[in-house]
Amino acid sequence: DTEVTQTPKHLVMGMTNKKSLKCEQHMGHRAMYWYKQKAKKPPELMFVYSYEKLSINESVPSRFSPECPNSSLLNLHLHALQPEDSALYLCASSQVYQNSPLHFGNGTRLTVT
Amino acid sequence: AQKITQTQPGMFVQEKEAVTLDCTYDTSDPSYGLFWYKQPSSGEMIFLIYQGSYDQQNATEGRYSLNFQKARKSANLVISASQLGDSAMYFCAMREALSSNQAGTALIFGKGTTLSVSS
Repeated sequence: DTEVTQTPKHLVMGMTNKKSLKCEQHMGHRAMYWYKQKAKKPPELMFVYSYEKLSINESVPSRFSPECPNSSLLNLHLHALQPEDSALYLCASSQVYQNSPLHFGNGTRLTVT
Repeated sequence: AQKITQTQPGMFVQEKEAVTLDCTYDTSDPSYGLFWYKQPSSGEMIFLIYQGSYDQQNATEGRYSLNFQKARKSANLVISASQLGDSAMYFCAMREALSSNQAGTALIFGKGTTLSVSS
């Protein structure tokens, strides 16, 4: 079983909806990540939080809004998405030091209609 | 910027055979690490193995081993005794510093190789 838990597993939303993706880890990791993955493509980095502070934002549109309420939780707030935003959204966590592996959740499959 | 190249879009192997998945990388950092992940069709990303640039020996984890050739900048994954459950997409990845502080790093992935194991 994965030690990074993502909810929901699947999400269908309209372009005018507001929804949130949630991610939780209890491994004591202080770095957390959001990746977006389209079918048969590699994951693309969206955001990195380090010690609960946003350290990387890879030029993601403002309709995606990340939040890190505490060291165990990471949210991704979604608003006014486009159909091309449909993808698998993966959350990950890791130790902060450079060569620690990322531990991924099972992802949320998002469909925007 | 660092770069990861996986040149094999798909590989086919029979059960119990060994298979090598290629990965080359480009970096100017003397200290770096390479990671391999497996992604089955269900979607989860499973960490398989890690190789540090200063590690004296090639990494091994069960049936997985890395053929690390630093001078050639390659880190090929070798899967021995393939099983049907090994059918998945495999990604090679490297940490890249994306900000000025060490905390601002993340994994950057190659395009992946789809491995199909047949009986």
